[in-house]
Amino acid sequence: GENVEQHPSTLSVQEGDSAVIKCTYSDSASNYFPWYKQELGKRPQLIIDIRSNVGEKKDQRIAVTLNKTAKHFSLHITETQPEDSAVYFCAAEEEGGSEKLVFGKGTKLTVNP
Amino acid sequence: NAGVMQNPRHLVRRRGQEARLRCSPVKGHSHVYWYRQLPEEGLKFMVYLQKENIIDESGMPKERFSAEFPKEGPSILRIQQVVRGDSAAYFCASSGTGFRGGYTFGSGTRLTVV
Repeated sequence: GENVEQHPSTLSVQEGDSAVIKCTYSDSASNYFPWYKQELGKRPQLIIDIRSNVGEKKDQRIAVTLNKTAKHFSLHITETQPEDSAVYFCAAEEEGGSEKLVFGKGTKLTVNP
Repeated sequence: NAGVMQNPRHLVRRRGQEARLRCSPVKGHSHVYWYRQLPEEGLKFMVYLQKENIIDESGMPKERFSAEFPKEGPSILRIQQVVRGDSAAYFCASSGTGFRGGYTFGSGTRLTVV
């Protein structure tokens, strides 16, 4: 089955800096890759996703890149703000079309004012 | 338009008791997914249901756990004879026709087994 590895597990940046979180996946049939943000005690919220027919997608300060050949995808947050502090999870759809997501273990991002 | 509603938000059970977790999907959604999140961990898939059918239960332990999504009413995740290791946050998500646009998760039920 699908296996998703996420790095780093913790990330601390200064306000205004960029943050990058990287994930690798194992199943070449996967074609849907969402990213979720989870604040302490709250639900995971979808912040951006990408499908395998594109290599990059951007939404304001957030962007995701996908390299299908290398089987890795990354989340980029620019101009970080303290409210970006949270745990971020990447995920990949298992066995393309299964509607089942396999999640990474998460990255705790801290943005220092 | 209410999102995915889960209740209770917090549930405390003694070892050996039963836990029933409820999930009301977004109105009109017929696909429901349950995930479990252990402390400091990512979410793990448990079960995927459509109305009156279990589509994929490969992530759900074979014993003590069951799920249903009846024609009327919420989806129920039932854990019988709970043990301390069942303590976790259980999240439900729903979609209308599969996650073409990604899941919307409910607020979760935090189960504590004492």
